Amino acid sequence: AQSVAQPEDQVNVAEGNPLTVKCTYSVSGNPYLFWYVQYPNRGLQFLLKYITGDNLVKGSYGFEAEFNKSQTSFHLKKPSALVSDSALYFCAVRDGTGGGNKLTFGTGTQLKVEL
Amino acid sequence: GAGVSQSPSNKVTEKGKDVELRCDPISGHTALYWYRQRLGQGLEFLIYFQGNSAPDKSGLPSDRFSAERTGESVSTLTIQRTQQEDSAVYLCASSLFGRAYEQYFGPGTRLTVT
Repeated sequence: AQSVAQPEDQVNVAEGNPLTVKCTYSVSGNPYLFWYVQYPNRGLQFLLKYITGDNLVKGSYGFEAEFNKSQTSFHLKKPSALVSDSALYFCAVRDGTGGGNKLTFGTGTQLKVEL
Repeated sequence: GAGVSQSPSNKVTEKGKDVELRCDPISGHTALYWYRQRLGQGLEFLIYFQGNSAPDKSGLPSDRFSAERTGESVSTLTIQRTQQEDSAVYLCASSLFGRAYEQYFGPGTRLTVT
């Protein structure tokens, strides 16, 4: 079985400050990890993925995420937050070792960036 | 090009009625997924189609839920005898063959069962 945990329902950050949205995962095989963002009244948008290779992956809108195998984490980060980054963020995992095509999503973290 | 589209965007129905939700995937995407997003919860996988292969129905919550797909195009999700707990946003996503890790989502259909 595969699972994802997003321990924070909401993260508040001041504009210009760095932000981190946490995600931990559990899979029996190799993890494929993803971040999606959902803006109000819009569908989910793919942000970035980790399949293999460098532990630090870069995605859209200046976001990046760091894969940490020992801590089974894949935290989303951005060096300088913008008010326009305020949205709902979902972490997702897929078991890359014969795990089929299902993505398992976390419950989401609401990011609020304030002036 | 055009993204994934879903219709209707909103649907209000009475308990016990049947509803049909439609999804138009991105052209050329052979894989199509349906998810359910309840208020304050994560996405719940419902069903997956890949080309002409038998669909993965393992996420359908009950036999009131069914889905069909015509070839590699439109899909419809049908909920029979709707219940209030079916109220949710139903999301459709599509991807290229072999790239299930990069799914493109539609805007969703918000279903309210009264």
